Amino acid sequence: NAGVTQTPKFQVLKTGQSMTLQCAQDMNHEYMSWYRQDPGMGLRLIHYSVGAGITDQGEVPNGYNVSRSTTEDFPLRLLSAAPSQTSVYFCASSNSGALSYEQYFGPGTRLTVT
Amino acid sequence: KQEVTQIPAALSVPEGENLVLNCSFTDSAIYNLQWFRQDPGKGLTSLLLIQSSQREQTSGRLNASLDKSSGRSTLYIAASQPGDSATYLCAVYRSQGNLIFGKGTKLSVKP
Repeated sequence: NAGVTQTPKFQVLKTGQSMTLQCAQDMNHEYMSWYRQDPGMGLRLIHYSVGAGITDQGEVPNGYNVSRSTTEDFPLRLLSAAPSQTSVYFCASSNSGALSYEQYFGPGTRLTVT
Repeated sequence: KQEVTQIPAALSVPEGENLVLNCSFTDSAIYNLQWFRQDPGKGLTSLLLIQSSQREQTSGRLNASLDKSSGRSTLYIAASQPGDSATYLCAVYRSQGNLIFGKGTKLSVKP
């Protein structure tokens, strides 16, 4: 198993550009989520999905869109990038059938918006 | 609103010392609690997960405890080594997979 994979690892955008951060997992996990990590703020939940076709907002959803058309993939879209979205983005997944709900994290995407 | 606090924010110890990292949370109605390690510029490595019905978990030189009634968890590291230097994050499960993170404790173990 590759676990949770994220692409790209690094990305530089100009203000106003759009892009999609990719996240995939091969563990057949129903639950997937996106976090951002900023200095002094810790990790904060952006969006999450409890299964294909179902998504919901987390703590900091503004400026981001998500969709979940398959169990494996959970892309995060920035429609019009802003410097405030400069951050490290982590995707995570978990097995909703497991008692522990243990989260498995991807390696992260470092995004810089100039 | 659930808040997670980690004290101290930074800690420097000599090699071989036993140490305790603290995590406190404001709402005792949590599902689980998980400790992570993060090296500079890297992702999160899971260390220990304590389910809400458990009081502690152990892995090698690491021991994590959970006291839901007092809203506290501790991570005990025995016989610290320079390789333990990293930031340690505590996260509580507000619901399935919905984590609230502390801001971390940056640990430096001096040879």
